[in-house]
Amino acid sequence: AQKVTQAQTEISVVEKEDVTLDCVYETRDTTYYLFWYKQPPSGELVFLIRRNSFDEQNEISGRYSWNFQKSTSSFNFTITASQVVDSAVYFCALSETDNFNKFYFGSGTKLNVKP
Amino acid sequence: DSGVTQTPKHLITATGQRVTLRCSPRSGDLSVYWYQQSLDQGLQFLIQYYNGEERAKGNILERFSAQQFPDLHSELNLSSLELGDSALYFCASSVDGGRLDYGYTFGSGTRLTVV
Repeated sequence: AQKVTQAQTEISVVEKEDVTLDCVYETRDTTYYLFWYKQPPSGELVFLIRRNSFDEQNEISGRYSWNFQKSTSSFNFTITASQVVDSAVYFCALSETDNFNKFYFGSGTKLNVKP
Repeated sequence: DSGVTQTPKHLITATGQRVTLRCSPRSGDLSVYWYQQSLDQGLQFLIQYYNGEERAKGNILERFSAQQFPDLHSELNLSSLELGDSALYFCASSVDGGRLDYGYTFGSGTRLTVV
């Protein structure tokens, strides 16, 4: 079974629109970490955020915000006032107690932001 | 610059051939992780080495092998290459073998094309 599900394969928005990328995870551990990475067309993986399972506070960083809800096993990512430079593939990932540096990635959501 | 160096950046080779991908971890890191990003399988964990020894194994094919040398650099060897092995191969490194390293980052990847 998939540990991390990103149901949205591709999303297209017009610049300045808000967009939310969904991530649902599955784990039996009580201690785990969740991550979001951005992969621009150049291919590298850019770290955006990590969250541990005990911290359900939502986080905001500039135009980015994250909503972690343990009750629904979701860790959604919202970009406010999207820009063309936000166009990329975004990955959600999970790591578990046995090895916190071993990541299970979702299949990614490709975000297209049009001018 | 993440501090994790992967060479070469691009590699084109023919089916049936063997290639070696190289990863130099961040200074001070003892653990190296290999991931494969392919179109059909997404981003998958392959294998982890910690201080020269295999620590964890993921979905790594038998045709693939890896090792970590005394100077802590790692090599991923891919043999009897098939078209489906075409992918982006990422390396990451961490200080510890399992406890989350908050500086954990990925290298920029090696893009392998099998023709």
